[in-house]
Amino acid sequence: EVQLLESGGHLVQPGESLRVSCVGSGFTFGSFALMWFRHSPVKGLEWVSVISAGGDYTYYADSVKGRFTISRDNSNNTLHLQMNSLRVEDTAIYYCAKDRTSDWSPSGLDSWGQGTLVTVSS
Amino acid sequence: AIQMTQSPSSLSASIGDTVTITCRTSHGIRNDLGWYQQKPGKAPKLLIYGASTLQSGVPSRFSGSGSDTYFTLTISSLQPEDFATYYCLHDFSYPLTFGGGTRVDIK
Repeated sequence: EVQLLESGGHLVQPGESLRVSCVGSGFTFGSFALMWFRHSPVKGLEWVSVISAGGDYTYYADSVKGRFTISRDNSNNTLHLQMNSLRVEDTAIYYCAKDRTSDWSPSGLDSWGQGTLVTVSS
Repeated sequence: AIQMTQSPSSLSASIGDTVTITCRTSHGIRNDLGWYQQKPGKAPKLLIYGASTLQSGVPSRFSGSGSDTYFTLTISSLQPEDFATYYCLHDFSYPLTFGGGTRVDIK
């Protein structure tokens, strides 16, 4: 059974940094591109970032580009999202997800973690 | 970025009803679109991929259709567990973008 488990969500102040992580199991972690999404009551669901299976390609939403960095450690089946210069509008539940195929081109996110809450507030 | 226009934003329906949700895109995306169900406090769940292919384990009362810029999700014979929020998501190119969501409530 595929499992994704996020951790690291916390209450931080605007301008601070935070790293959230996601541990995967039940699949060949290093063969799949992985993504971060977030959900807030104000903005709904939002795609945040993607990293290729080997970690050599990444893309970001414009709203986080230059502030967030996605990375992965395939030896430890772990995905990270380093978030710097956090803003109030980054407040959301952050989910990691994998596609149903091991292709670089996405075709349906069939596995999601349970989410980790990031709150940015003074 | 490809813009997604999903409608309606909410609807009320009764058990057994058939409901249809639409999603329009600002650019043609072939059939690179999925539909997701989200319940409060839970992660999204993939229902349909490739615009019309039912994800394994999803009941057959869910169906998707469309291509290019116009897509629909139909739920036939609505069941109590179907009351949730539904989102379309294109996976044609990065950045991926969601529709604004459709909340399906009990009438």
